[in-house]
Amino acid sequence: AQSVTQPDIHITVSEGASLELRCNYSYGATPYLFWYVQSPGQGLQLLLKYFSGDTLVQGIKGFEAEFKRSQSSFNLRKPSVHWSDAAEYFCAVVGFGNEKLTFGTGTRLTIIP
Amino acid sequence: NAGVTQTPKFQVLKTGQSMTLQCAQDMNHEYMSWYRQDPGMGLRLIHYSVGAGITDQGEVPNGYNVSRSTTEDFPLRLLSAAPSQTSVYFCASREQGENTEAFFGQGTRLTVV
Repeated sequence: AQSVTQPDIHITVSEGASLELRCNYSYGATPYLFWYVQSPGQGLQLLLKYFSGDTLVQGIKGFEAEFKRSQSSFNLRKPSVHWSDAAEYFCAVVGFGNEKLTFGTGTRLTIIP
Repeated sequence: NAGVTQTPKFQVLKTGQSMTLQCAQDMNHEYMSWYRQDPGMGLRLIHYSVGAGITDQGEVPNGYNVSRSTTEDFPLRLLSAAPSQTSVYFCASREQGENTEAFFGQGTRLTVV
Protein backbone atom coordinates (compact mmCIF):
# COMPACT_ATOMS: atom_id res chain seq x y z
CA ALA A 1 0.00 0.00 0.00
CA GLN A 2 1.14 3.52 -0.72
CA SER A 3 1.92 5.95 2.09
CA VAL A 4 3.72 9.20 2.81
CA THR A 5 5.49 10.36 5.94
CA GLN A 6 6.03 13.97 6.91
CA PRO A 7 8.43 13.84 9.85
CA ASP A 8 8.10 17.49 10.86
CA ILE A 9 4.85 18.42 12.59
CA HIS A 10 5.66 22.12 12.98
CA ILE A 11 8.40 24.30 11.52
CA THR A 12 9.15 27.94 12.32
CA VAL A 13 11.10 30.04 9.83
CA SER A 14 12.04 33.71 9.73
CA GLU A 15 10.64 35.76 6.91
CA GLY A 16 13.12 35.84 4.05
CA ALA A 17 14.84 32.63 5.11
CA SER A 18 14.90 29.47 3.02
CA LEU A 19 12.53 26.59 3.63
CA GLU A 20 12.61 22.83 3.18
CA LEU A 21 9.72 20.57 4.15
CA ARG A 22 10.39 16.86 4.16
CA CYS A 23 8.30 14.11 2.63
CA ASN A 24 9.13 10.42 2.34
CA TYR A 25 6.98 8.00 0.41
CA SER A 26 6.52 4.26 0.45
CA TYR A 27 5.52 2.59 -2.79
CA GLY A 28 6.89 -0.27 -4.85
CA ALA A 29 7.13 1.57 -8.14
CA THR A 30 7.45 5.19 -9.18
CA PRO A 31 4.59 7.04 -7.51
CA TYR A 32 2.70 10.15 -8.47
CA LEU A 33 3.55 12.78 -5.85
CA PHE A 34 1.90 16.03 -4.87
CA TRP A 35 2.27 18.92 -2.48
CA TYR A 36 -0.85 20.75 -1.31
CA VAL A 37 -1.19 23.83 0.90
CA GLN A 38 -4.02 24.63 3.28
CA SER A 39 -4.48 28.17 4.55
CA PRO A 40 -6.37 28.55 7.84
CA GLY A 41 -10.05 27.70 7.48
CA GLN A 42 -9.69 26.81 3.81
CA GLY A 43 -9.62 23.77 1.61
CA LEU A 44 -6.45 22.46 0.00
CA GLN A 45 -4.75 23.92 -3.05
CA LEU A 46 -2.25 22.15 -5.30
CA LEU A 47 1.29 23.60 -5.21
CA LEU A 48 3.00 21.15 -7.57
CA LYS A 49 3.12 17.55 -8.71
CA TYR A 50 5.57 14.99 -10.04
CA PHE A 51 4.85 11.95 -12.18
CA SER A 52 7.79 11.50 -14.54
CA GLY A 53 10.67 13.23 -16.26
CA ASP A 54 12.69 16.00 -14.67
CA THR A 55 13.11 15.29 -10.97
CA LEU A 56 13.00 18.99 -10.04
CA VAL A 57 9.52 20.39 -10.46
CA GLN A 58 8.38 23.97 -10.18
CA GLY A 59 5.09 25.00 -8.66
CA ILE A 60 3.07 28.02 -7.84
CA LYS A 61 4.03 30.75 -5.34
CA GLY A 62 7.76 30.16 -5.91
CA PHE A 63 7.84 26.62 -4.54
CA GLU A 64 9.79 23.72 -6.00
CA ALA A 65 10.26 20.09 -5.07
CA GLU A 66 12.84 17.46 -5.91
CA PHE A 67 12.08 13.79 -6.41
CA LYS A 68 14.88 11.51 -5.18
CA ARG A 69 14.19 7.86 -5.89
CA SER A 70 17.24 6.65 -3.92
CA GLN A 71 15.95 8.35 -0.78
CA SER A 72 12.21 7.85 -1.45
CA SER A 73 11.82 11.55 -0.88
CA PHE A 74 9.96 14.47 -2.40
CA ASN A 75 11.00 17.51 -0.35
CA LEU A 76 9.43 20.92 -0.87
CA ARG A 77 11.64 24.00 -0.97
CA LYS A 78 11.40 27.75 -1.25
CA PRO A 79 14.43 30.07 -1.36
CA SER A 80 12.84 32.93 0.58
CA VAL A 81 9.60 32.66 2.52
CA HIS A 82 6.99 35.37 2.87
CA TRP A 83 4.60 35.90 5.77
CA SER A 84 1.77 34.77 3.49
CA ASP A 85 3.36 31.30 3.26
CA ALA A 86 2.23 30.51 6.81
CA ALA A 87 -0.08 27.53 6.34
CA GLU A 88 -0.22 23.77 6.62
CA TYR A 89 1.49 21.75 3.91
CA PHE A 90 0.56 18.24 2.87
CA CYS A 91 2.48 15.74 0.80
CA ALA A 92 0.32 13.21 -1.05
CA VAL A 93 0.76 10.15 -3.25
CA VAL A 94 -1.16 8.15 -5.83
CA GLY A 95 0.09 4.75 -6.93
CA PHE A 96 0.05 3.64 -10.56
CA GLY A 97 -3.39 2.33 -11.51
CA ASN A 98 -4.76 3.44 -8.16
CA GLU A 99 -7.58 5.90 -7.64
CA LYS A 100 -6.75 6.73 -4.03
CA LEU A 101 -5.01 9.99 -3.14
CA THR A 102 -3.25 9.39 0.18
CA PHE A 103 -2.04 12.27 2.36
CA GLY A 104 0.66 12.66 4.95
CA THR A 105 -0.04 14.09 8.37
CA GLY A 106 0.99 17.59 7.35
CA THR A 107 3.56 20.17 8.44
CA ARG A 108 2.44 23.43 9.94
CA LEU A 109 4.63 26.36 8.89
CA THR A 110 4.93 29.45 11.08
CA ILE A 111 6.70 32.56 9.79
CA ILE A 112 8.26 34.98 12.24
CA PRO A 113 9.18 38.57 11.34
CA ASN B 1 -17.15 28.70 -11.65
CA ALA B 2 -18.30 27.06 -8.40
CA GLY B 3 -15.88 24.09 -8.33
CA VAL B 4 -16.62 21.85 -5.34
CA THR B 5 -19.42 22.97 -3.05
CA GLN B 6 -19.98 21.50 0.39
CA THR B 7 -22.94 22.13 2.65
CA PRO B 8 -23.37 22.84 5.47
CA LYS B 9 -20.21 24.67 6.62
CA PHE B 10 -20.91 24.00 10.31
CA GLN B 11 -23.08 21.44 12.07
CA VAL B 12 -23.67 20.33 15.63
CA LEU B 13 -25.28 16.94 16.18
CA LYS B 14 -26.33 15.01 19.21
CA THR B 15 -25.02 11.50 19.67
CA GLY B 16 -27.18 9.07 17.75
CA GLN B 17 -28.55 11.57 15.26
CA SER B 18 -28.12 11.05 11.55
CA MET B 19 -27.31 13.58 8.87
CA THR B 20 -26.03 13.95 5.33
CA LEU B 21 -23.13 16.11 4.26
CA GLN B 22 -23.64 17.34 0.74
CA CYS B 23 -20.97 17.64 -1.95
CA ALA B 24 -21.47 18.81 -5.51
CA GLN B 25 -18.99 19.55 -8.29
CA ASP B 26 -19.57 21.21 -11.63
CA MET B 27 -16.36 20.17 -13.40
CA ASN B 28 -17.64 16.81 -14.71
CA HIS B 29 -14.95 14.99 -12.71
CA GLU B 30 -15.22 11.23 -12.48
CA TYR B 31 -13.36 10.80 -9.19
CA MET B 32 -14.82 12.09 -5.94
CA SER B 33 -13.67 11.47 -2.38
CA TRP B 34 -14.50 12.26 1.22
CA TYR B 35 -11.77 12.92 3.77
CA ARG B 36 -11.81 13.75 7.43
CA GLN B 37 -9.15 15.99 8.95
CA ASP B 38 -8.16 15.62 12.58
CA PRO B 39 -5.26 17.34 14.38
CA GLY B 40 -2.01 15.48 13.89
CA MET B 41 -3.56 12.90 11.56
CA GLY B 42 -3.68 14.72 8.26
CA LEU B 43 -6.48 13.87 5.86
CA ARG B 44 -7.81 10.35 6.02
CA LEU B 45 -9.86 8.88 3.21
CA ILE B 46 -13.36 7.79 4.20
CA HIS B 47 -14.96 6.73 0.90
CA TYR B 48 -14.33 7.41 -2.73
CA SER B 49 -16.00 6.98 -6.09
CA VAL B 50 -14.59 6.55 -9.58
CA GLY B 51 -17.88 7.26 -11.34
CA ALA B 52 -21.64 7.26 -11.01
CA GLY B 53 -22.83 4.05 -9.39
CA ILE B 54 -19.35 3.04 -8.18
CA THR B 55 -18.10 3.60 -4.64
CA ASP B 56 -15.45 2.02 -2.45
CA GLN B 57 -14.12 2.27 1.07
CA GLY B 58 -11.10 4.24 2.16
CA GLU B 59 -9.08 4.01 5.38
CA VAL B 60 -11.81 4.97 7.86
CA PRO B 61 -15.23 3.99 6.44
CA ASN B 62 -16.97 2.78 9.58
CA GLY B 63 -20.02 4.82 10.54
CA TYR B 64 -20.33 6.44 7.12
CA ASN B 65 -22.27 5.61 3.96
CA VAL B 66 -22.02 7.08 0.48
CA SER B 67 -23.78 6.79 -2.84
CA ARG B 68 -23.10 8.25 -6.28
CA SER B 69 -26.24 8.45 -8.36
CA THR B 70 -24.96 11.28 -10.57
CA THR B 71 -21.55 12.51 -11.67
CA GLU B 72 -22.08 15.81 -9.86
CA ASP B 73 -23.14 14.71 -6.38
CA PHE B 74 -21.47 12.59 -3.71
CA PRO B 75 -23.26 12.84 -0.35
CA LEU B 76 -21.79 11.44 2.86
CA ARG B 77 -24.23 10.00 5.39
CA LEU B 78 -23.60 9.61 9.09
CA LEU B 79 -25.98 6.91 10.23
CA SER B 80 -25.74 7.35 14.01
CA ALA B 81 -23.36 10.12 14.99
CA ALA B 82 -20.73 9.50 17.65
CA PRO B 83 -18.37 11.97 19.38
CA SER B 84 -15.47 10.25 17.59
CA GLN B 85 -16.89 11.64 14.34
CA THR B 86 -16.26 15.20 15.45
CA SER B 87 -13.98 16.43 12.70
CA VAL B 88 -13.61 18.63 9.66
CA TYR B 89 -14.82 16.90 6.51
CA PHE B 90 -13.56 17.67 3.03
CA CYS B 91 -14.94 16.59 -0.30
CA ALA B 92 -12.62 16.48 -3.30
CA SER B 93 -13.00 15.78 -6.99
CA ARG B 94 -10.56 15.17 -9.82
CA GLU B 95 -10.41 13.92 -13.36
CA GLN B 96 -9.65 10.28 -14.05
CA GLY B 97 -5.94 9.50 -13.91
CA GLU B 98 -3.18 9.15 -11.35
CA ASN B 99 -1.57 12.55 -11.91
CA THR B 100 -4.65 14.75 -11.90
CA GLU B 101 -5.16 17.65 -9.53
CA ALA B 102 -7.71 17.27 -6.74
CA PHE B 103 -10.06 20.18 -6.12
CA PHE B 104 -11.38 20.57 -2.60
CA GLY B 105 -14.46 22.06 -1.06
CA GLN B 106 -14.24 24.51 1.83
CA GLY B 107 -14.98 21.84 4.40
CA THR B 108 -17.72 21.04 6.92
CA ARG B 109 -16.91 21.39 10.60
CA LEU B 110 -18.96 18.79 12.46
CA THR B 111 -19.28 18.58 16.22
CA VAL B 112 -21.03 15.63 17.86
CA VAL B 113 -22.02 16.18 21.47
